[in-house]
Amino acid sequence: GENVEQHPSTLSVQEGDSAVIKCTYSDSASNYFPWYKQELGKGPQLIIDIRSNVGEKKDQRIAVTLNKTAKHFSLHITETQPEDSAVYFCAAPDPTTDSWGKLQFGAGTQVVVTP
Amino acid sequence: DAGVTQSPTHLIKTRGQHVTLRCSPISGHKSVSWYQQVLGQGPQFIFQYYEKEERGRGNFPDRFSARQFPNYSSELNVNALLLGDSALYLCASSLEVVGGALDTGELFFGEGSRLTVL
Repeated sequence: GENVEQHPSTLSVQEGDSAVIKCTYSDSASNYFPWYKQELGKGPQLIIDIRSNVGEKKDQRIAVTLNKTAKHFSLHITETQPEDSAVYFCAAPDPTTDSWGKLQFGAGTQVVVTP
Repeated sequence: DAGVTQSPTHLIKTRGQHVTLRCSPISGHKSVSWYQQVLGQGPQFIFQYYEKEERGRGNFPDRFSARQFPNYSSELNVNALLLGDSALYLCASSLEVVGGALDTGELFFGEGSRLTVL
């Protein structure tokens, strides 16, 4: 099955600075890479995703880049704000199953934005 | 429109007991997936159900079971609870995806059911 590794585990940034979180995956057949944001006491919320036919996708202050050759993808948050403080998870589907509801998640990155 | 709803939000059980968790998907979604999230870790896949049939199962013991009803809502059952079953149990719904895992679509998660086993 798919194995997803995520770094760093914690990230502290000053408000207004950028934050970058990196993930690697093991199965070259994976072609869908979502990022989820989880606030304290809540369920994960999809913030951006990318498919393997593109190398970069942007949505306002959030962007995701994908390098299929190196099998890694990254989340970039620019002009960080205190409300960006949360745990962020990357994920990838398990291509060895036909269960499209099965995602393999990274261990998560705790992002703290200090004013 | 209502999102994914889960009940109960919190519950406390003792070792050896049984628990039933419930999930209602987003209207129009026919697929429900269950995940276990232990504190400080990412969610771990337990089951996926689509059109009342099991489509995938994660690496969990037979004490874990689930079912999906004709209205696409779902129940997760856990028997003979262990201390290690304490976790946030998440339900996610999604649209039908043609082509299987390689055409994975967006999963919409509920707020979860926090289970504490004493």
